[in-house]
Amino acid sequence: GENVEQHPSTLSVQEGDSAVIKCTYSDSASNYFPWYKQELGKGPQLIIDIRSNVGEKKDQRIAVTLNKTAKHFSLHITETQPEDSAVYFCAAPGGTSYGKLTFGQGTILTVHP
Amino acid sequence: GAGVSQTPSNKVTEKGKYVELRCDPISGHTALYWYRQSLGQGPEFLIYFQGTGAADDSGLPNDRFFAVRPEGSVSTLKIQRTERGDSAVYLCASSLRGASDTQYFGPGTRLTVL
Repeated sequence: GENVEQHPSTLSVQEGDSAVIKCTYSDSASNYFPWYKQELGKGPQLIIDIRSNVGEKKDQRIAVTLNKTAKHFSLHITETQPEDSAVYFCAAPGGTSYGKLTFGQGTILTVHP
Repeated sequence: GAGVSQTPSNKVTEKGKYVELRCDPISGHTALYWYRQSLGQGPEFLIYFQGTGAADDSGLPNDRFFAVRPEGSVSTLKIQRTERGDSAVYLCASSLRGASDTQYFGPGTRLTVL
């Protein structure tokens, strides 16, 4: 099955700085990579995703990059704000089936004002 | 529009009891997923429905866990003879057409087995 490793486990930045979270996956057939943000007491919320036919995708302050050769993908948040503080999870499907997502261990991001 | 809803939001039960957790997916979504999230961990896949049938139940930990979706909409996760190790947040997600679409999560049910 798919194995997803996520780093770092905690990340502390000052408001306005950039934050980068990295994930690696094991199944070379995986072709869809979502990122979720989870706030305390809430379910995960999709913030951005990327499919394997592109290497980068941006949405305002958030971007995701994908390196299929190295089997890793990264989340980049620029101009961080205190409301970006949350737990972030990467995920990957088993092979080409998106039904079974395997999640990383999560990164606790803290943005200090 | 309304998102995925789950009831109850919290459930406390005693070891050995039976519990049912309910999920109402986004209207019109054909695929429904159950995950389990332990403290400090990422969600762990349990089962995935396409319509009324279970397309992948490989994540169910043992035969005490069972899920149904009889009319292709609402789903119920059933846990028999609960154990303390079953304590976790149970998350439900749905997607529009199937496994190739984005999964939208509900707020979860926090299950505590005493």
